Amino acid sequence: QKEVEQDPGPLSVPEGAIVSLNCTYSNSAFQYFMWYRQYSRKGPELLMYTYSSGNKEDGRFTAQVDKSSKYISLFIRDSQPSDSATYLCAIGGSEKLVFGKGTKLTVNP
Amino acid sequence: EAGVTQSPTHLIKTRGQQATLRCSPISGHTSVYWYQQALGLGLQFLLWYDEGEERNRGNFPPRFSGRQFPNYSSELNVNALELEDSALYLCASSFNREYSNQPQHFGDGTRLSIL
Repeated sequence: QKEVEQDPGPLSVPEGAIVSLNCTYSNSAFQYFMWYRQYSRKGPELLMYTYSSGNKEDGRFTAQVDKSSKYISLFIRDSQPSDSATYLCAIGGSEKLVFGKGTKLTVNP
Repeated sequence: EAGVTQSPTHLIKTRGQQATLRCSPISGHTSVYWYQQALGLGLQFLLWYDEGEERNRGNFPPRFSGRQFPNYSSELNVNALELEDSALYLCASSFNREYSNQPQHFGDGTRLSIL
């Protein structure tokens, strides 16, 4: 079983839609959870960082963590064409950070 | 505040040659991480340096090596290059691991192409 699994998509939505991106993980020792956005030919950019179960909101983005199910989500409200990118989840412990393979999102105007 | 900077942006080599990639972390960050992002494989962890020492290493052969300098910048060396080494090499930095669980911030990478 892979440590972190993420549906690679691709995911295509119309502008204004709510987007849901998800990852599952296998190691219950993982303590903190991040979402990165990566545009083409650029490095990953940190979007959200949390280390507790529940929701964390930042503007149009909400990160949700369910440690009991080992499941994390990123929701994007009112999606914009500029949100078109690859989204990577990253889950880690004190010595290790494991990335999902990324979900490619396209928001169509 | 300047972000993580990497050089060169693009590097073209032939099989058997050696490549050196460089990274400058965000000011105040002492940990530097190296990742390989090959097409279809996602980010694969290579090396972690903290306070000048190698703290952890991913599942890569010894021909991948690096070091961290006293100013916390770092270089990644890849010897005996193979075609499969063609990838985007990303450097990330974070605060000292004593502040555990600090998020990593990435540069834009060096694209290494092996001909």
